[in-house]
Amino acid sequence: DTAVSQTPKYLVTQMGNDKSIKCEQNLGHDTMYWYKQDSKKFLKIMFSYNNKELIINETVPNRFSPKSPDKAHLNLHINSLELGDSAVYFCASSQGLDLISYEQYFGPGTRLTVT
Amino acid sequence: GENVEQHPSTLSVQEGDSAVIKCTYSDSASNYFPWYKQELGKGPQLIIDIRSNVGEKKDQRIAVTLNKTAKHFSLHITETQPEDSAVYFCAASRGDKLIFGTGTRLQVFP
Repeated sequence: DTAVSQTPKYLVTQMGNDKSIKCEQNLGHDTMYWYKQDSKKFLKIMFSYNNKELIINETVPNRFSPKSPDKAHLNLHINSLELGDSAVYFCASSQGLDLISYEQYFGPGTRLTVT
Repeated sequence: GENVEQHPSTLSVQEGDSAVIKCTYSDSASNYFPWYKQELGKGPQLIIDIRSNVGEKKDQRIAVTLNKTAKHFSLHITETQPEDSAVYFCAASRGDKLIFGTGTRLQVFP
């Protein structure tokens, strides 16, 4: 059973297009996250949601719009894709907001390539 | 904001040897320090963590040490095995979000 799943696993698209990445967790967690991992493997948080409410927005361009239809899902929509958006995007979840108390579980990642 | 530096960026060891990865952090308010292992094509997975009220923690072949005064913490892997080969990330947190180091690619040669 996959705890945190993402679709698609690979996404190749052209500059200027709009695309979405979906994330689902079956752990019953309240908190979900999106991370971006660049070509140098640097991993940086983008957003966090708790009970469908936006908690963290790490100065991500407004071309990126997360949407949480329910606690188990956090989707990431990206408008007007740019070359610099090419990266691996990871979804993660935790039982609650306090990361000292609750472990974060990561999905398998979505490799986005913008040409 | 918090900044986490990690060294070395690559580390090659012979099977059975020990491996040490070091991280420093800047925010004295950080009080939680997890370590993640990322295998090829997979997401990071928590392998061990330490809280600021503890100086050392061990779990079988893996140990982590924390020096709050110097603001650095280290991961120690003993008796390395080929399956330990992966990218390892340290992170620091006040509890709200994780700030990751730049990663260490560990290769264990048989």
